Amino acid sequence: EIVLTQSPGTLSLSPGERATLSCRASQSVSRSYLAWYQQKPGQAPRLLIYGASSRATGIPDRFSGSGSGTDFTLTISRLEPEDFAVYYCQQYGSSLMYTFGQGTKLEIK
Amino acid sequence: EVQLVQSGAEVKKPGESLKISCKGSGYSFTSNWIGWVRQMPGKGLEWMGIIFPGDSDTRYSPSFQGQVTISADKSISTAYLQWSSLKASDTAMYYCARHLSGHVDYWGQGTLVTVSS
Repeated sequence: EIVLTQSPGTLSLSPGERATLSCRASQSVSRSYLAWYQQKPGQAPRLLIYGASSRATGIPDRFSGSGSGTDFTLTISRLEPEDFAVYYCQQYGSSLMYTFGQGTKLEIK
Repeated sequence: EVQLVQSGAEVKKPGESLKISCKGSGYSFTSNWIGWVRQMPGKGLEWMGIIFPGDSDTRYSPSFQGQVTISADKSISTAYLQWSSLKASDTAMYYCARHLSGHVDYWGQGTLVTVSS
C-alpha cells in the first residue's frame, strides 16, 4: 500500500502570500492518479486538482499542481481569505486502491 | 446535475448494526465506481472502499476489510455502507464519493455516525 506523507502539517501564511504544499509518496505514483482536495470546516472535501496538474471545474487559476514520481506539490499563488482550509493529496494505485495523505492545515498568520 | 444524497445522522449503541445509504442522481449510476471515506472527529480522510454498481465488483482498503460491507442496489441508484456490530471507534463522519479515473469528483454531504453507550 502506497503511503502519502504531506508537509508541513500546518502552514501559517497571510493573505496575498504564496503557499507551497508538499505530498511525498512511499513508491512512485502515476501522474494521472494524483489528486488534491480542499476541505473547510463542516463541509465535504472539494476536488481541486486531478492528474497531478489539471484543475477541476470552477477552480481558480491561482491553484496549480505539479510533480511526478514520488514528489508532488500544490501551489496557491496568491492566498485569498477563502483559501484557508485543510488540503489533502490522494493517489490511486493497483487493485483499485486509493489512499489519502494526512492533510496540511493552511491557517491565517 | 450530479448529486449524491446521503441518509441522516445516526446514534447507535455498541454492538448494534447499521446501514447508511447514498443515492446518486444526474449520471449513470451503474457506470461509475462509488465509494466511502471515513473522517473521525478532528482527523483526516481515510479511504474505505468502492463498488461498481453495474456488476457489484467491490474493493476494500486493507484497514477496513472485514469491518464493514459495501453494497449497492442499482435499481434505485443507491450505495450502502453497513456494520454488523458497531464499536465506539466507528464514531465518525462518513462520506460517499463518486470515483472517476483515479480521483473523486463528487461527494455526498456526509452522514454522522455516533456510537455511544
